[in-house]
Amino acid sequence: QKEVEQDPGPLSVPEGAIVSLNCTYSNSAFQYFMWYRQYSRKGPELLMYTYSSGNKEDGRFTAQVDKSSKYISLFIRDSQPSDSATYLCAIFTGGFKTIFGAGTRLFVKA
Amino acid sequence: AAGVIQSPRHLIKEKRETATLKCYPIPRHDTVYWYQQGPGQDPQFLISFYEKMQSDKGSIPDRFSAQQFSDYHSELNMSSLELGDSALYFCASSPLAGGRQFFGPGTRLTVL
Repeated sequence: QKEVEQDPGPLSVPEGAIVSLNCTYSNSAFQYFMWYRQYSRKGPELLMYTYSSGNKEDGRFTAQVDKSSKYISLFIRDSQPSDSATYLCAIFTGGFKTIFGAGTRLFVKA
Repeated sequence: AAGVIQSPRHLIKEKRETATLKCYPIPRHDTVYWYQQGPGQDPQFLISFYEKMQSDKGSIPDRFSAQQFSDYHSELNMSSLELGDSALYFCASSPLAGGRQFFGPGTRLTVL
């Protein structure tokens, strides 16, 4: 079992839809969770960074962590065609190591 | 705001040649990470440095080596290049040795 599981998609939604992206992880000791957005042929861009359980909101983006279920989510409200990208969840495991999910490809249709 | 700088942005080499990739972290970031990303794959961790010392090692081939210099920039040296080394190579930096990593634009290496 991989330490971080993420459905690679692709996920296609109409403009204005609410998007839900999810990852599960295996180690209950993990505490730092991140979401990155990666456009084609570009470096991953840090979107959200959360510690422990709960919600964190930044504009149209909300990151949610449920440590009891070992489940993390990223919600995008009022999705735009410019949100079309690959979204990677990432977990900092301590020390110097971060584990990335496989990334979910999102397409937002105008 | 300053970002991570990588050079070159594109590199074309032939099999068995050597390549050197450079990374300049965000100022005051003391940790540097190197990743390899193949087409349609997530970034695979290669190696990291904290305060100029190797801090962690991932799936880095023995043909590759890296170091971090006194000015905190890092270089990834790749020898005896193989076709399978063709990928995007990202450098990331973080403050205080953990957590949020900020990625550079990547170097696209093509081995012919």
